[in-house]
Amino acid sequence: GESVGLHLPTLSVQEGDNSIINCAYSNSASDYFIWYKQESGKGPQFIIDIRSNMDKRQGQRVTVLLNKTVKHLSLQIAATQPGDSAVYFCAENPPSYALNFGKGTSLLVTP
Amino acid sequence: KAGVTQTPRYLIKTRGQQVTLSCSPISGHRSVSWYQQTPGQGLQFLFEYFSETQRNKGNFPGRFSGRQFSNSRSEMNVSTLELGDSALYLCASSLDSRGQQYFGPGTRLTVT
Repeated sequence: GESVGLHLPTLSVQEGDNSIINCAYSNSASDYFIWYKQESGKGPQFIIDIRSNMDKRQGQRVTVLLNKTVKHLSLQIAATQPGDSAVYFCAENPPSYALNFGKGTSLLVTP
Repeated sequence: KAGVTQTPRYLIKTRGQQVTLSCSPISGHRSVSWYQQTPGQGLQFLFEYFSETQRNKGNFPGRFSGRQFSNSRSEMNVSTLELGDSALYLCASSLDSRGQQYFGPGTRLTVT
């Protein structure tokens, strides 16, 4: 079946730096994408989403970029803080199908 | 609004037993999805219910089943438990399956 994958399983950044988490998706029919953050012992928490008619969307300290040509999604976190340490998942949503999650990237923010 | 709640939070069962997990969605949400999360496989979709009807089903054996009640609360059942069923089972609700999904804290199932 088609899958969503992450380029890096772990990412370590210094506090205050910007973080970029990448994701490749394979289903060209996907038209909705979501980034989730999961902290230890908790369920995934919605961060930001984007529909395929957009290539960029900004939230509070986060930006999602979508490149449909190469089927690539990225999450940028500005001024990374210790509280940003978590596992980040991207998910793609093809029409009439359920969300398909990537394996996740662990972000570690060091002081 | 209260978030998605799941009960129980932790469960220990032995092989061959069956288990029922419960999920209460956010008030007004009619779609409930279930996921299995393991370190090796990540988040895998089990099934999705909308207005008491299963709309989507993942690639899991028939031992995994679910249902949704008229108040949108959902249950999932796993029969004849295997060691490999040990996982975090997550429930998510949304207004519709194409929208933002809100996850509960999960039920940690350990099969011994």
